[in-house]
Order: sequence, then C-alpha cells, then structure tokens
Amino acid sequence: DAGITQSPRHKVTETGTPVTLRCHQTENHRYMYWYRQDPGHGLRLIHYSYGVKDTDKGEVSDGYSVSRSKTEDFLLTLESATSSQTSVYFCAISARDRREAFFGQGTRLTVV
Amino acid sequence: RKEVEQDPGPFNVPEGATVAFNCTYSNSASQSFFWYRQDCRKEPKLLMSVYSSGNEDGRFTAQLNRASQYISLLIRDSKLSDSATYLCVVSRDSNYQLIWGAGTKLIIKP
Repeated sequence: DAGITQSPRHKVTETGTPVTLRCHQTENHRYMYWYRQDPGHGLRLIHYSYGVKDTDKGEVSDGYSVSRSKTEDFLLTLESATSSQTSVYFCAISARDRREAFFGQGTRLTVV
Repeated sequence: RKEVEQDPGPFNVPEGATVAFNCTYSNSASQSFFWYRQDCRKEPKLLMSVYSSGNEDGRFTAQLNRASQYISLLIRDSKLSDSATYLCVVSRDSNYQLIWGAGTKLIIKP
C-alpha cells in the first residue's frame, strides 16, 4: 500500500470552530488531493496541489483552504466549520507520470 | 448532466455469476480511465486501469469504447468478496484532475 496517512481519523467539532486535517505521504508524489465523499455525490474534489506551494481549487472549494509547505504534507483547513461540512474526507496522491490515485484511510468529520 | 455517470445499482448477483456494468463519460478529451473498488466505510482502491485495447486481470475485464464514450467492467465467477461499490474514473492529460463517477453498488449473494 502507498504510504499515505491522514490525521485525525475521526473528529467531532462545533459549528464555527476552525479545523485542520493533515495528509502525510512518504512516496514523494507530486500531486496531492483533498476530496469529500457524501451519499449520493460520490467523491468531490475540494483542492489539489501540483507541487510545493502550488495549489488550486476543485469543484467544492468554498469554505476550505489548503497549504503545502513540504512535498510530504498537505493540510486542509475549515476556517469556520458548518454542519454542511460534515462528511468523510479523503486525501489522495498520484505520481507525475501516472494518473492513478492512492488514498488515505479517510477522516470522518462531524460538525455539530 | 454529470461528466461521468454510472448506474448506482445495487446489482444483486448470485455467487458464481458474471456481472457487467458500464460507465459513460461526456468529455471526448478524456484520455485515462480507471476502475476503483470501495468497500463500505473504506477508502477507494485501484482495481485496474483501462487501456484502449482492453485488458484483463484474472476474473476482471475492462474495456474502453471511445466511439460511444463508455468503459465497462466485467466480473466473471463472482465471489462474495466482490461485494463493493465500483467507481469509474476518467482524467484528461491537460490537467491533474480525476473525474469520479458516483459508483455502482454490487452485492454478491450466496
């Protein structure tokens, strides 16, 4: 399995609080992605990164920000969590010359 | 219309049967295609890439039809352990994004 870990694995937070999810990889892959998965919607891209400090928005980026200061780490921040951000969040990585993505185990976030 | 569409199912199939499902994509610029498998409450895992000439991996066969813009997955001699959601993915080499279908749920029954 690809070396990719997400933390925390589970989190319950209150509406209005900031939350940061971490994705760490040991594969030295160039591309990193944050997705959310909700019933009926499948995987939806929040943000992605194509290099250190190079990030771009996905289809559901509102309310989220990201940072990538090192190749191995990609952080997703919810500046002020809302109940609509209750979801399962997956981080994924892919190499420069291949398009297959490998996923972390996911973070189950509940905003109450 | 979604860029990648799949029948959500569920497909209820007896053990040992052959099952097939398709995935259609709308963007003719799509160039890479994959099938992923996702078990309940787990992360998606790559099942197989889909090549233009079609490819086979054991009991699994994937095919691409560019003219009609769909890919297919065939599972022969289905096992109980094949029960999962199968996700179709396409990408364009012009960007880094993968476009995901919502998945087809497969249930294999004894």
